[in-house]
Amino acid sequence: EVQLVQSGAEVKKPGESLKISCKGSGYSFTSYWIGWVRQMPGKGLEWMGIIYPGDSDTRYSPSFQGQVTISADKSISTAYLQWSSLKASDTAMYYCVRHDCGGDCYFDYWGQGTLVTVSS
Amino acid sequence: QSVLTQPPSVSGAPGQRVTISCTGSSSNIGAGYDVHWYQQLPGTAPKLLIYGNSNRPSGVPDRFSGSKSGTSASLAITGLQAEDEADYYCQSYDSSLSGYAVFGGGTQLTVL
Repeated sequence: EVQLVQSGAEVKKPGESLKISCKGSGYSFTSYWIGWVRQMPGKGLEWMGIIYPGDSDTRYSPSFQGQVTISADKSISTAYLQWSSLKASDTAMYYCVRHDCGGDCYFDYWGQGTLVTVSS
Repeated sequence: QSVLTQPPSVSGAPGQRVTISCTGSSSNIGAGYDVHWYQQLPGTAPKLLIYGNSNRPSGVPDRFSGSKSGTSASLAITGLQAEDEADYYCQSYDSSLSGYAVFGGGTQLTVL
């Protein structure tokens, strides 16, 4: 069974750094793109970027380029999303998603979400 | 403002049929990119509902169907049930954004 299990909720202050994780299991972690989707409170879904754990090829949405860093450790089948300096506007639920790219990519499996709250 | 446009809300009575539209442009749906649909039940992560315009993953009831034409796509739900009350999102790709994924703004379905 394919599973994406994310790290727990975080409460941080503006300016702090943060790294959240997403562990994949039940499939070949290095053979699928894995990415992140943001959902701000009461709002819709926004695609942030992706990484191919097989070779660490990483791509970002223009809206998130330079704001976050996506990485992966294939030895432990885990992808990461990190911030160097959080802002209050980073408060959101973050989902990791597996991309099935047989044709145009779609997101066939989702993590349970990690709630990030940034508040002074 | 989302690249793909969905109605903010739709509603229907149990047993009825509802449709949710997803309108794009010549740089996304009209460029031939597939449209995919996701269902987000209250307080849960989204779930894949339709992929490749009209394909249902295993376990998704055949009450859900998708179609695409020109620069638009639609999700149809027949035999509406209370458990279908959720937010629905379309997703495609946009060549003007270097081919990256884009979502519609989401549609809240209310079962009356």
